[in-house]
Amino acid sequence: AQKITQTQPGMFVQEKEAVTLDCTYDTSDQSYGLFWYKQPSSGEMIFLIYQGSYDEQNATEGRYSLNFQKARKSANLVISASQLGDSAMYFCAMRPGPNTNAGKSTFGDGTTLTVKP
Amino acid sequence: DTGVSQNPRHKITKRGQNVTFRCDPISEHNRLYWYRQTLGQGPEFLTYFQNEAQLEKSRLLSDRFSAERPKGSFSTLEIQRTEQGDSAMYLCASSPTGMRGEQYFGPGTRLTVT
Repeated sequence: AQKITQTQPGMFVQEKEAVTLDCTYDTSDQSYGLFWYKQPSSGEMIFLIYQGSYDEQNATEGRYSLNFQKARKSANLVISASQLGDSAMYFCAMRPGPNTNAGKSTFGDGTTLTVKP
Repeated sequence: DTGVSQNPRHKITKRGQNVTFRCDPISEHNRLYWYRQTLGQGPEFLTYFQNEAQLEKSRLLSDRFSAERPKGSFSTLEIQRTEQGDSAMYLCASSPTGMRGEQYFGPGTRLTVT
């Protein structure tokens, strides 16, 4: 069984500063995918970034980067140059196995990020 | 826009009634997922389709829940004999079969059982 742990219920960051949201995971699979999603107050979940378990380099997507430490089973999201629009709930998720056999994703309980002006 | 759509967006029903939700995925995606989300929690997996085949169903789901995806296009989620504990946001997501498997979510259907 897969488990995602997000230990920060809430985080605050000053506008234009960087922030790290923590995520640790537990799985016995050798192949898996890790994702971060953003859920604004409007409710619709938005895919942000993906990291495959065999990817040697950390994923980056614009202002988002994923700090992947496989041995520690952590996949932290780093948001650089925070903007007011980044205020939202952020979820870490994991897909077991290679995507050819992909089933459900397991989600953490989320971190609420508030960006202060 | 060709994103995931869900209808209705809100549903209020009395305990014991049946409700049905619809999800229209992104047209080229052959995977479709249903999740349930309660306030302050992450999405909880309910069931998953690849084309028209229902490949996985959560053990947490009682027999009151059923889902279909006829012809591998839209999907419906039915809850029979609703209970107050069924009150939640029901999310649908679709996913392409590429290397990543990221999911694209609809806006959700908020169910309130009175």
